Amino acid sequence: GNSVTQMEGPVTLSEEAFLTINCTYTATGYPSLFWYVQYPGEGLQLLLKATKADDKGSNKGFEATYRKETTSFHLEKGSVQVSDSAVYFCALTSNFGNEKLTFGTGTRLTIIP
Amino acid sequence: DTAVSQTPKYLVTQMGNDKSIKCEQNLGHDTMYWYKQDSKKFLKIMFSYNNKELIINETVPNRFSPKSPDKAHLNLHINSLELGDSAVYFCASSLTSGKNGELFFGEGSRLTVL
Repeated sequence: GNSVTQMEGPVTLSEEAFLTINCTYTATGYPSLFWYVQYPGEGLQLLLKATKADDKGSNKGFEATYRKETTSFHLEKGSVQVSDSAVYFCALTSNFGNEKLTFGTGTRLTIIP
Repeated sequence: DTAVSQTPKYLVTQMGNDKSIKCEQNLGHDTMYWYKQDSKKFLKIMFSYNNKELIINETVPNRFSPKSPDKAHLNLHINSLELGDSAVYFCASSLTSGKNGELFFGEGSRLTVL
C-alpha cells in the first residue's frame, strides 16, 4: 500500500535559517505529491504540489521537487520566518478522481526570532 | 464566509454518550471526508463521500456513522463514546474533477471524552 515517511520533529530553527524537511514515499503507479501546512488552531492548507517526476512545486518561498529515482519530495525554504512555525505534512495520492490522500506523520517546525 | 465549516469546534463529553459533529461546505465540491487527528498530530482518513455515496470507509469502529444528506453536508455521529475517541476531527472537501488531491479542510472539532 501507499505510505509516506517524514523526518521526525520537532524542528527548531532561528529566523532566516535554511529549512529542509525530508519526505520519502512508497506508492504504486505514479502518485501525485503534496505538502500541507497546519498553522496553530487551524485546519490543513495545501502548500504546494507536484504531479509528475521532476516537477517542482513552490509557494510562499517553499519548494519541493518530485524525485522518482529516490522516491522523495523534500521541502525546502531558503530563509524561514517566525510566521512559518506550523506543522508540515507530506502526502500523496495515486487515485485520480478518488482523492484519498495518504499523509505522513507531520513535522512540527518552530522558528525562534 | 467560511468554505468548510464544522460545528461544534469543541466538544467535551462523558464516556458512553452519543454525539454528532456537523460539516458543511460552500465550495460546490462533490466529495467530502472525515479525518481523525490524534494527540501526536497523526492524520488518518475515516470516511469519504462522493455525491452522497460512501466511497471510502477505512477500518473504523461501527460506533462511527457518517451521514451525507446532500453533497454539501457530511455529518459524523459517534455512539457510546470511548476515551480513545478523544481527538481532533477534520472535515474536508474536494472536487474530483478538479485539481487532483487538493483538499480543503475545516478548522477541526476537538472532542474530549472524560
